[in-house]
Amino acid sequence: QKEVEQNSGPLSVPEGAIASLNCTYSDRGSQSFFWYRQYSGKSPELIMFIYSNGDKEDGRFTAQLNKASQYVSLLIRDSQPSDSATYLCAVNYGQNFVFGPGTRLSVLP
Amino acid sequence: DVKVTQSSRYLVKRTGEKVFLECVQDMDHENMFWYRQDPGLGLRLIYFSYDVKMKEKGDIPEGYSVSREKKERFSLILESASTNQTSMYLCASSFSDPGLYGYTFGSGTRLTVV
Repeated sequence: QKEVEQNSGPLSVPEGAIASLNCTYSDRGSQSFFWYRQYSGKSPELIMFIYSNGDKEDGRFTAQLNKASQYVSLLIRDSQPSDSATYLCAVNYGQNFVFGPGTRLSVLP
Repeated sequence: DVKVTQSSRYLVKRTGEKVFLECVQDMDHENMFWYRQDPGLGLRLIYFSYDVKMKEKGDIPEGYSVSREKKERFSLILESASTNQTSMYLCASSFSDPGLYGYTFGSGTRLTVV
């Protein structure tokens, strides 16, 4: 059984702070890792993906991957109230993904 | 932009009705997927398809069937709707290797079965 785990939250951070979202996965064979953002009542939208160990930066977002620890994280710098959403970690297994339950982030003005 | 269009945003159906949820993508994606999303349970895969006229069961196929007669269209069918099928239904599509670019999701259909 392939599993992806995330803290459900809510994670509350003040505006301007760094939000850190974490995800662990069970299958060492996983090759690629995705983060989706989902606003309440909306569908998930892709914000970042990462394949290699280390960090990948895109604007205010940084994805971090550690395959040895089976751990992937998403950092959001200078958090804004518009970042308040549920963040889904998705791990690719062949043709499919397994999604984590999501972490709800609340950025307080 | 890749577009995945789901035919209805909100749907209310009666118990026992046959329900069709339609999904159309315009980017020539090979793969298409149907998920349902429920609070506390996350996204669960119902069915998926890698090619026209082929389908594979996901994690929770019971009570559902699918049809893919054309590459761009993937339909989810609830043979006899029940109240426990009240949920948000999400269609997604991807290229043949979704690990490269991930999924693109449709806007979702919130189905209520009364």
